[in-house]
Amino acid sequence: DTGVSQNPRHKITKRGQNVTFRCDPISEHNRLYWYRQTLGQGPEFLTYFQNEAQLEKSRLLSDRFSAERPKGSFSTLEIQRTEQGDSAMYLCASSSGTGGPKTQYFGPGTRLLVL
Amino acid sequence: DQQVKQNSPSLSVQEGRISILNCDYTNSMFDYFLWYKKYPAEGPTFLISISSIKDKNEDGRFTVFLNKSAKHLSLHIVPSQPGDSAVYFCAASEVGNQFYFGTGTSLTVIP
Repeated sequence: DTGVSQNPRHKITKRGQNVTFRCDPISEHNRLYWYRQTLGQGPEFLTYFQNEAQLEKSRLLSDRFSAERPKGSFSTLEIQRTEQGDSAMYLCASSSGTGGPKTQYFGPGTRLLVL
Repeated sequence: DQQVKQNSPSLSVQEGRISILNCDYTNSMFDYFLWYKKYPAEGPTFLISISSIKDKNEDGRFTVFLNKSAKHLSLHIVPSQPGDSAVYFCAASEVGNQFYFGTGTSLTVIP
C-alpha cells in the first residue's frame, strides 16, 4: 500500500502527559501537512512541510505543539503537557510538486483522547 | 471566521437520483478547490478538484461546478449510490498550501 499512514491510530492519555504521533507520507510526495479535526468540524490546518523545511504554521499551533520532518520523509507531531481541549482527530496529508496548491491525500488519522 | 461554509449539515437522496452538495466561500482570492468524502473512523478521501480558471470539472459520476462571481461551488453525484453515503467536505486554497475546509454535509443515499 502506498497511501499515507499514521501511527498510532488511537491514543488515550492523561492530562499533562506528552504524546507523539507519526506520519509516513506517500513516498514520492515532498509536501506534508498536519490538520486537526474536532467533532462536527472540518479539518483545521496546523502546519506544512516542504521536504524537511517547516514553511507554514497556524495560530492553532500553540507552543505546546511541535512538528518535525527531519529527513524530509516521515514527520512527527508532539504535544507537550496535553490538555483536554487537545482531544481531536489529528490528520496528516501529503502532496507532490512545487508551486501552487496541489491535491492533498490524507492518512487515516490518529484519534487522541485526553482524560 | 469560517471562510468556507457548507450550510446543509445533512442531505438524503433516493438511489439513482442526483445528489447536489453545496459550498460557499468568502475569500475571493481562493483559486483551488477540492471535494473530499469521509467515512467514519477514516481520513478524508480525495474526490475531485477544480481550479479557478475552470467552471466545471467531471470525473465519472462526480461533477464539480464553480461560480466565482457567487463564490459558490457544488458537487453533483449522478446517479447516487448507497455507497456514496458519507460526509462530504469542500476545501479551498489561496495559491499557498493552507486549505480551509467546510464543516461537511452528511449524505445518505436511500436504497
